[in-house]
Amino acid sequence: GAGVSQTPSNKVTEKGKYVELRCDPISGHTALYWYRQSLGQGPEFLIYFQGTGAADDSGLPNDRFFAVRPEGSVSTLKIQRTERGDSAVYLCASSLSPSASTDTQYFGPGTRLTVL
Amino acid sequence: AQTVTQSQPEMSVQEAETVTLSCTYDTSESDYYLFWYKQPPSRQMILVIRQEAYKQQNATENRFSVNFQKAAKSFSLKISDSQLGDAAMYFCAYRSYNYGQNFVFGPGTRLSVLP
Repeated sequence: GAGVSQTPSNKVTEKGKYVELRCDPISGHTALYWYRQSLGQGPEFLIYFQGTGAADDSGLPNDRFFAVRPEGSVSTLKIQRTERGDSAVYLCASSLSPSASTDTQYFGPGTRLTVL
Repeated sequence: AQTVTQSQPEMSVQEAETVTLSCTYDTSESDYYLFWYKQPPSRQMILVIRQEAYKQQNATENRFSVNFQKAAKSFSLKISDSQLGDAAMYFCAYRSYNYGQNFVFGPGTRLSVLP
C-alpha cells in the first residue's frame, strides 16, 4: 500500500473490555513495530516483529497486552481487561530492512484508545 | 538503557526566521542512529532528518539541518526560513546500531510558527 494504515482511527471502550487494534504495514516491509504514546509524551516501544515472529517484546507492559502477525503482514495488538491507564494513541510503524544502516521506520496515523 | 531528553516543551518562531530545537541523549554505545520526527495534529509521524553517529558531517535536508556533537551527546535541529506548515510536535529519537531495532523517543517539543 501507499503507507501504513491503522484501524480503527478511534476506539472507545469500557474498563475491563477486550480490544483489538489493527495495523497494515507498507507492502513488502518485513519489520513491524508497535508504540504507545500517552498524552504529552513521546512514543514508547511495545513490540517489534521481524516477519511472523516477535523479535523483541520487551516493551509490553504486562501480560494483558499481546500482538500477533500470523502471515508476516498485518498485525493485531490485543489488550485484555482494559484499564483507564491504557488510554493512549497506539502507533504502528514498518520498515524494509531493519539491519541496514539506511533503514527508516514509516509510521501510521495511530489508533486513539479511550478507556472509560 | 538509553534515554533521550528534550528540555524545551514549547518553542515559537516567527515565519521566515530560524529556530533551533535541542536534544540530548545518554548512551554507552559508540555506534547508533539519531532522528528527528515531526508529528502534526494528524498524528502521523514524519521523518525529518537522520544522522549516523559514525559520520562526522552534520546531516542536512533542505531547510532542516542538525548540529551533532557526539562527545557532548547533543543533537539539535535547526529549521531555517520557518513556514507555517512547520508547526507541529518534534521528537528526537535514538536507535541502537547493535541492540534492538526500536526507537527511544524524547518527550517532544511543540513548535508554533507565528505569521
